[in-house]
Amino acid sequence: KAGVTQTPRYLIKTRGQQVTLSCSPISGHRSVSWYQQTPGQGLQFLFEYFSETQRNKGNFPGRFSGRQFSNSRSEMNVSTLELGDSALYLCASSIEGGELFFGEGSRLTVL
Amino acid sequence: ILNVEQSPQSLHVQEGDSTNFTCSFPSSNFYALHWYRWETAKSPEALFVMTLNGDEKKKGRISATLNTKEGYSYLYIKGSQPEDSATYLCAFENNAGNMLTFGGGTRLMVKP
Repeated sequence: KAGVTQTPRYLIKTRGQQVTLSCSPISGHRSVSWYQQTPGQGLQFLFEYFSETQRNKGNFPGRFSGRQFSNSRSEMNVSTLELGDSALYLCASSIEGGELFFGEGSRLTVL
Repeated sequence: ILNVEQSPQSLHVQEGDSTNFTCSFPSSNFYALHWYRWETAKSPEALFVMTLNGDEKKKGRISATLNTKEGYSYLYIKGSQPEDSATYLCAFENNAGNMLTFGGGTRLMVKP
């Protein structure tokens, strides 16, 4: 069974640009959630999607958005990038109410 | 803002030592407590998901206990091995569902 796949794995952007990250969940998992990890911070919850609906959103500005497609694949978008957005972005999928299965992450560097 | 605290932040032990870490979390609106293991350059991997007060779970040399009334969980590693070196994360899931609040993690280093 294939795991959670995130693309791209690494990317470099400049301030003011926007970025889209992609996540393909494990087959059969309908819940996809996104987390941000910055140096010195724990994993911070961004949002969670289930059957194309955003069910929960963390405490992040509106520049952070996401969506989920009918095949459960999810994307997150960050517009008007700031230096502080440099982070590891982790996607996780799950069967409703169970453990999370994480991807390897997308490491974003904003210059 | 939910407060999930883990202690210690880091721990150095010798191979063969047994060790334990603490996770404290809010005792209200509890749904589940998760433990994950995160090795460098890999993705976090679930160890346990516990839901009931008094739960004890075991996987090989690793076990965990849960006290939802007082808001804490312990993770124990018996006879630590170098391959146990990783960051151990706990995460609180409230009854609003599907959103985990993670602690800062305990970084374990096991010296051969």
